Amino acid sequence: QQQVKQSPQSLIVQKGGISIINCAYENTAFDYFPWYQQFPGKGPALLIAIRPDVSEKKEGRFTISFNKSAKQFSLHIMDSQPGDSATYFCAASPVYNQGGKLIFGQGTELSVKP
Amino acid sequence: DSGVTQTPKHLITATGQRVTLRCSPRSGDLSVYWYQQSLDQGLQFLIQYYNGEERAKGNILERFSAQQFPDLHSELNLSSLELGDSALYFCASSVNWDGGNEAFFGQGTRLTVV
Repeated sequence: QQQVKQSPQSLIVQKGGISIINCAYENTAFDYFPWYQQFPGKGPALLIAIRPDVSEKKEGRFTISFNKSAKQFSLHIMDSQPGDSATYFCAASPVYNQGGKLIFGQGTELSVKP
Repeated sequence: DSGVTQTPKHLITATGQRVTLRCSPRSGDLSVYWYQQSLDQGLQFLIQYYNGEERAKGNILERFSAQQFPDLHSELNLSSLELGDSALYFCASSVNWDGGNEAFFGQGTRLTVV
């Protein structure tokens, strides 16, 4: 119940294309869903996050879509660029009274080809 | 730069030894988290401290311990090291102790046990 399942494991996209990464969770206590971007040799960096009271959040080329009934959320990267090549992690956390620990998906290695 | 400082960046040690990893959180952040990142297990939450007190515990081995000092820096102690403890260890910090707050990650300590 504590798991977050992420797919695909790896993704190759042409420059200018749309990258889509999906995550699913079981624990209904989760109510904060961030996405992190990690470059080799660096720590994860927060990209965008969403709460269940909205179905979509957009920041620049990055959009989170959230389906509360299906317990699924996804990251869309529009106009993907070679500089977006990195590993992306979805995560989930309960907001109240359980600490701030993040449960991470297994990660998706994105490669954007020029 | 996330503002979270981890030292050392790399550590090579032998099996059976003990090491200490250090983390200085972002200025103003009271919560410190430790995560372990390995190829097979992904990013796993170990433990959280808030203002000097332990707040949440993950799958942290009994051989591992942590503390947060009055100046809010934290140390993760790993003892009786095994080959399987080789991993990247990340520290993250956030303002509050509860979920829904942006967690900033350091650049990690790469531990190699030989």
